Amino acid sequence: AQSVAQPEDQVNVAEGNPLTVKCTYSVSGNPYLFWYVQYPNRGLQFLLKYITGDNLVKGSYGFEAEFNKSQTSFHLKKPSALVSDSALYFCAVRDMNNNAGNMLTFGGGTRLMVKP
Amino acid sequence: DAGVIQSPRHEVTEMGQEVTLRCKPISGHDYLFWYRQTMMRGLELLIYFNNNVPIDDSGMPEDRFSAKMPNASFSTLKIQPSEPRDSAVYFCASSLDSSGANVLTFGAGSRLTVL
Repeated sequence: AQSVAQPEDQVNVAEGNPLTVKCTYSVSGNPYLFWYVQYPNRGLQFLLKYITGDNLVKGSYGFEAEFNKSQTSFHLKKPSALVSDSALYFCAVRDMNNNAGNMLTFGGGTRLMVKP
Repeated sequence: DAGVIQSPRHEVTEMGQEVTLRCKPISGHDYLFWYRQTMMRGLELLIYFNNNVPIDDSGMPEDRFSAKMPNASFSTLKIQPSEPRDSAVYFCASSLDSSGANVLTFGAGSRLTVL
């Protein structure tokens, strides 16, 4: 079975400061990892994904994430937060070796609040 | 492409009434997913289709829920009869193929309130 944990319900950061949103995962094989963002009254939007290769993945809006296999983590980061980054962030995983079709497992979400 | 289109955006109904939510996936996408989002349970996968065929409906909460995909450009999620605990935001998403690296594109959601 595959699972995702986002240990923080909310992260508060001041504008201009670096931000980190944490994610750990569990799969039996190798993972495909994703970050999605949800703005108020909107659907989830894709930010970035890790498939293979370089452990540091760069995505939309200046976000990046680092895949750490030994720690089974895929934390989302941004060097300098903007107020407009305030949203709900979801980490998701799919097991490469999972034959159960196209199933994606989402974490519970972390609300990011960036204050001016 | 206009993206994944869902209707209605908001629905308020009374307990016992039938509710039908609609989704138009992105043209050419072979996979369609229905998710439900609540504060208590987060984002839950209800059912997904591949080439209009339901593949996994293990997330459908009970027999009151049903989903269909009569053609590649339209899907419905029906709740009959509705109950207050069904109040949630229901999202439809589609993806291109079965590649594990594939990205889901979500609609804006249908917010359901059952009184």
